[in-house]
Amino acid sequence: AQSVTQLGSHVSVSEGALVLLRCNYSSSVPPYLFWYVQYPNQGLQLLLKYTTGATLVKGINGFEAEFKKSETSFHLTKPSAHMSDAAEYFCAVILPFLGGYNKLIFGAGTRLAVHP
Amino acid sequence: ETGVTQTPRHLVMGMTNKKSLKCEQHLGHNAMYWYKQSAKKPLELMFVYNFKEQTENNSVPSRFSPECPNSSHLFLHLHTLQPEDSALYLCASSQDDGGNGYTFGSGTRLTVV
Repeated sequence: AQSVTQLGSHVSVSEGALVLLRCNYSSSVPPYLFWYVQYPNQGLQLLLKYTTGATLVKGINGFEAEFKKSETSFHLTKPSAHMSDAAEYFCAVILPFLGGYNKLIFGAGTRLAVHP
Repeated sequence: ETGVTQTPRHLVMGMTNKKSLKCEQHLGHNAMYWYKQSAKKPLELMFVYNFKEQTENNSVPSRFSPECPNSSHLFLHLHTLQPEDSALYLCASSQDDGGNGYTFGSGTRLTVV
């Protein structure tokens, strides 16, 4: 069965600094990978996804993530943090369709704080 | 309307009340999900409906009763809840295997008093 580990439940950065949120997965086959963002009292919004092809994927709000199969990682980065990036971020995985149905497995989340 | 719509946004109910949460998706998806999100706990998948058939029930207490009358609508009927059921309830939908991810609604913030 697949699983997701997000290292660091809380990350704090200064405005303008690099954002790095870590995600490692465990899966029997290369999964599809996702990052979601959640603002207070809101649902989850898809930031970016990797299914196949280019391993560096770009998403909304200047975020990007790189799929590294050898490291089973999908870390989320942004070169320069903005105050509006403060939110909770969730990494998720799903296995490619194998018949029947699959379910999206979420990590525990990382709360990002951005200070002036 | 587009996306996934959840109503109401906020709900306060007593432990003896009966209420329902509603979710509607306008994306043409064929799978819908209920998640519970409590403070300081991971997202908990409660129910999955695929082509209107319930395909997963993660040991959810019977005081939560889902209903999926068609592939666009999903309800969560609540009765005799406990204070520990207070949480954000999120609805999501996906197409087929979810390879494009799930689309989430904004959630219903439930408080049981």
